Amino acid sequence: NAGVTQTPKFQVLKTGQSMTLQCAQDMNHEYMSWYRQDPGMGLRLIHYSVGAGITDQGEVPNGYNVSRSTTEDFPLRLLSAAPSQTSVYFCASWTDSGNTIYFGEGSWLTVV
Amino acid sequence: AQTVTQSQPEMSVQEAETVTLSCTYDTSESNYYLFWYKQPPSRQMILVIRQEAYKQQNATENRFSVNFQKAAKSFSLKISDSQLGDTAMYFCAFMKGTYKYIFGTGTRLKVLA
Repeated sequence: NAGVTQTPKFQVLKTGQSMTLQCAQDMNHEYMSWYRQDPGMGLRLIHYSVGAGITDQGEVPNGYNVSRSTTEDFPLRLLSAAPSQTSVYFCASWTDSGNTIYFGEGSWLTVV
Repeated sequence: AQTVTQSQPEMSVQEAETVTLSCTYDTSESNYYLFWYKQPPSRQMILVIRQEAYKQQNATENRFSVNFQKAAKSFSLKISDSQLGDTAMYFCAFMKGTYKYIFGTGTRLKVLA
């Protein structure tokens, strides 16, 4: 079982560039989310999804888009990268039986 | 809105000793879940322990146990016989319903040899 897989693991972007962080899970989990982790601020929810075709905003959604066309995939798009988006990004998934959240290994993004 | 507060940004403990990490949360709900996650330097998020709010008994996993005080909205983590491998960032998390987890800001724990 691969669990939650995130790609790329490291990325450097220039200000204004766009990119997509990929996230895939093979556990047939209904729920998926994206968090960003910044020093002293813990994990903050960017967007989440309760199932294929359904997404909603979290605490810090500005500058990010998501879609959920399949149960397995939940990509996060940065529309026009800004230095404030330099962070570590975590994708996570879970199901409503057990309520334990599973994380990917993180994606380190630097915007210069 | 639900919030989770970890008031200890950093802590240290001698190897083999016991340490307690604090977490308080705020909610008006009666049924919810609480978690402690460990994040070692590799940055991987690892579940340490979970507690269902409707259960009176405190959860225990080997050297890790919690002190869950529902009325006080407190959920502390006790690590017994601390090991060097316990050095990590620890996050307290709250979950109500099935679609939103709320995390605290973390406590960085260093175990000293």
